[in-house]
Formats: sequence, C-alpha cells, structure tokens
Amino acid sequence: AQKITQTQPGMFVQEKEAVTLDCTYDTSDQSYGLFWYKQPSSGEMIFLIYQGSYDEQNATEGRYSLNFQKARKSANLVISASQLGDSAMYFCAMRETQTGANNLFFGTGTRLTVIP
Amino acid sequence: NAGVMQNPRHLVRRRGQEARLRCSPMKGHSHVYWYRQLPEEGLKFMVYLQKENIIDESGMPKERFSAEFPKEGPSILRIQQVVRGDSAAYFCASSPPNSPESEQFFGPGTRLTVL
Repeated sequence: AQKITQTQPGMFVQEKEAVTLDCTYDTSDQSYGLFWYKQPSSGEMIFLIYQGSYDEQNATEGRYSLNFQKARKSANLVISASQLGDSAMYFCAMRETQTGANNLFFGTGTRLTVIP
Repeated sequence: NAGVMQNPRHLVRRRGQEARLRCSPMKGHSHVYWYRQLPEEGLKFMVYLQKENIIDESGMPKERFSAEFPKEGPSILRIQQVVRGDSAAYFCASSPPNSPESEQFFGPGTRLTVL
C-alpha cells in the first residue's frame, strides 16, 4: 500500500485565489511527521511546512497552512492568495518516527499552475 | 551558513561507466539521506548514513550501488556500470545530530544522464 497518496496530478488556480492540494497517508504508527515540499522547474526541493502527529493545531507558515485531519489521515496543503511564483510541483511526505526510521516517504506530487 | 551542497549538478555517463555523486551536509549536520527521483515521479528513499555508518540502506538496489559517509569529507553515492534506467535526479538531505527526526534539508540534486 502506498504510504502517501496525492490524487491530483495537476491543478490550476487563478492568481490571488486559494487552492487546496490533497494528501492522504497510511501508517500504523502513533508518532509521525507530515511535510510539504515545493519543487519549482529549477529542480530544488524547498521545505514549506511541517505537522507532527501530536500537534493539535494546524500548522501555518505565511500563505501556507496544513489542514490536518487525523481521523481521516489527510494532510492537505492550502495556499492562500496564489502567486505566479507558486507554479511548481508539490510533494507531500511522511516520516514514521515511532519505528526509528528517519527517511521520508513521498507522494507522486501535484503540479500546480497559477493562471494570471 | 551554507546549505546542503551537491556536486556535480549535472553528470553524463555512458553505459558501463561509473558515476560518483557527492554531498556535503549542512554545517553541524551528521545525518545524511540519499533519495532518487525518476522522471515525473516523487522522491524514493535510498540510504541513510551517519558518519562512518550506514544506518538504513533498505532503499538501495542490491547491486552496483554503494554509499559512504567518511569521517572526513563528503558523502559519496557510487553507481557502478551505469545503465539507462539509472538516469534520474539524485538528492541528498541532511539533518542535525541530536534531532534526526527533525526537518531534512535538501541539496539541489545531481541530474544523472546515462547515454
């Protein structure tokens, strides 16, 4: 079974609008971390936001917020007030800290295009 | 404070040659991770190393691939006798010594093309 599922291969959003990128995860660990990374066309991986499994509040970082619904095992990324520079691939990732493994499991990504 | 550095950024090899990819973690970081990204796919974990130790190599192909992180110098990912299917972007990430569960900082990647 896939540990991270991103069901939207591509998304379009109008500039200045908000957009939600979906992510669901699968783990039996009680302790885990969820991450979102942005990969622009230049190829680097840029960390956006982190949510710990025990965090009660949804994480926010500027225009990024993570809609964490633990019972549904979903960790959707919300980008508010989209900008042209937000056009990129977005990857959701998870680390299962309970097992002691530190590696990240990545989804297949969502390509976001911001339309002027 | 320099970030994670990888070199070369682009590497072209012919089938059968060896590829050596280097990664210098962020200053003070002693945990290094290697990931591979095939075209149009997400990153896949390959190996997790600390200084002079391989901690987890469950994602490494059993043959032709090896990794090291010596006491001095960068971490090296070595691919022997490359094949076309090895063409991919290889990313290195690092995290600090006392909190390996914290965020991993990624390097810019090495794009390997096998002709």
